[in-house]
Amino acid sequence: TQLLEQSPQFLSIQEGENLTVYCNSSSVFSSLQWYRQEPGEGPVLLVTVVTGGEVKKLKRLTFQFGDARKDSSLHITAAQTGDTGLYLCAGGDFTGGGNKLTFGTGTQLKVEL
Amino acid sequence: DTGVSQDPRHKITKRGQNVTFRCDPISEHNRLYWYRQTLGQGPEFLTYFQNEAQLEKSRLLSDRFSAERPKGSFSTLEIQRTEQGDSAMYLCASSLMGSPLHFGNGTRLTVT
Repeated sequence: TQLLEQSPQFLSIQEGENLTVYCNSSSVFSSLQWYRQEPGEGPVLLVTVVTGGEVKKLKRLTFQFGDARKDSSLHITAAQTGDTGLYLCAGGDFTGGGNKLTFGTGTQLKVEL
Repeated sequence: DTGVSQDPRHKITKRGQNVTFRCDPISEHNRLYWYRQTLGQGPEFLTYFQNEAQLEKSRLLSDRFSAERPKGSFSTLEIQRTEQGDSAMYLCASSLMGSPLHFGNGTRLTVT
């Protein structure tokens, strides 16, 4: 069974601070995706990384895929209250032609004024 | 593109009753997935379809759970003889092969 552990589980910070969320696994994934989910809604895709060592930037968010494709990080610069939500990493499994995702344990972020 | 639609949004049922949820995927998407999510946790894979064929079921999926996608379009997820442990958010997602999943807003089930 592939497991994705995220840390920290909870994070409460002030607006303007920086933060990093980690996603770690003992398994290799074909790709790694990051989602954000708000209460009462489904997860919304932020980014997909597929190459070991890949770094992608989305405005104030920086995503990195580990060289061995087993881990990833999400760094947010100058957090805003609108960044509040549940952040989920998800590993892609493309064996057998499927694209099933295995989700991480989640990081609940709260950004306060 | 109206997105993935799920119905109902909320369902409260008594233990032992059967419930059925519906998912309408994005129209051109041939893959449809069901996930279950408990509060503050990541979604857990239940099953997925390619067109009308159910290609994989999680080993965690009890025999009380059944899913169908009869014409390769909408899908239903039925839970028979519900238990309190079935209380969760049930998420549906759709995609094209090799493309990212698009999630609906889920059906929140509460079993009393």
